[in-house]
Amino acid sequence: EAQVTQNPRYLITVTGKKLTVTCSQNMNHEYMSWYRQDPGLGLRQIYYSMNVEVTDKGDVPEGYKVSRKEKRNFPLILESPSPNQTSLYFCASSLTPVVTGTEAFFGQGTRLTVV
Amino acid sequence: KNQVEQSPQSLIILEGKNCTLQCNYTVSPFSNLRWYKQDTGRGPVSLTIMTFSENTKSNGRYTATLDADTKQSSLHITASQLSDSASYICVVSATGGFKTIFGAGTRLFVKA
Repeated sequence: EAQVTQNPRYLITVTGKKLTVTCSQNMNHEYMSWYRQDPGLGLRQIYYSMNVEVTDKGDVPEGYKVSRKEKRNFPLILESPSPNQTSLYFCASSLTPVVTGTEAFFGQGTRLTVV
Repeated sequence: KNQVEQSPQSLIILEGKNCTLQCNYTVSPFSNLRWYKQDTGRGPVSLTIMTFSENTKSNGRYTATLDADTKQSSLHITASQLSDSASYICVVSATGGFKTIFGAGTRLFVKA
């Protein structure tokens, strides 16, 4: 089954404690991205990757890092989480960038709370 | 400024009734417009995608329309079911700068 898998689904952590949210896709997609979703706002792109070892900033990259060492995996790293990073996070993958009209597949989401 | 605005913010309808959700955008130059359904606690799932030359697209009981001149789109849901309760998100992509803008969504509640 084609899917994007995120882990963990829920995470509560304390300010400053480094964490990683994993994302894996089994569709051999080249394009992957991370979004955050906050109440009253549309999804906002944090980082994206066009292919292995190719990553770039989205609209809200501050406080986040990513890596793309393998095509299937695209982890999101918060080196020093702060309360304003409390949010619902989604990983997505597509064959080509979404802007080209290709369909994007989203993971189930990770609800992160930073206290 | 590229923006996508959806209305209403939320909507309550009775099971079996029809409804229409609106999306206005200022994204330019236009590439494509999608509607996603997002169930509570789940990731968005694509319903329809339309390019500049398309003005209507159906997916079962969901029908999306696009007026590229007025930069408006609507999603019409026919004979609503309880399982239609979800957020519906309009997403517009621009060819310049590979920009994709998500609307804040319309929260639909279908009551028995």
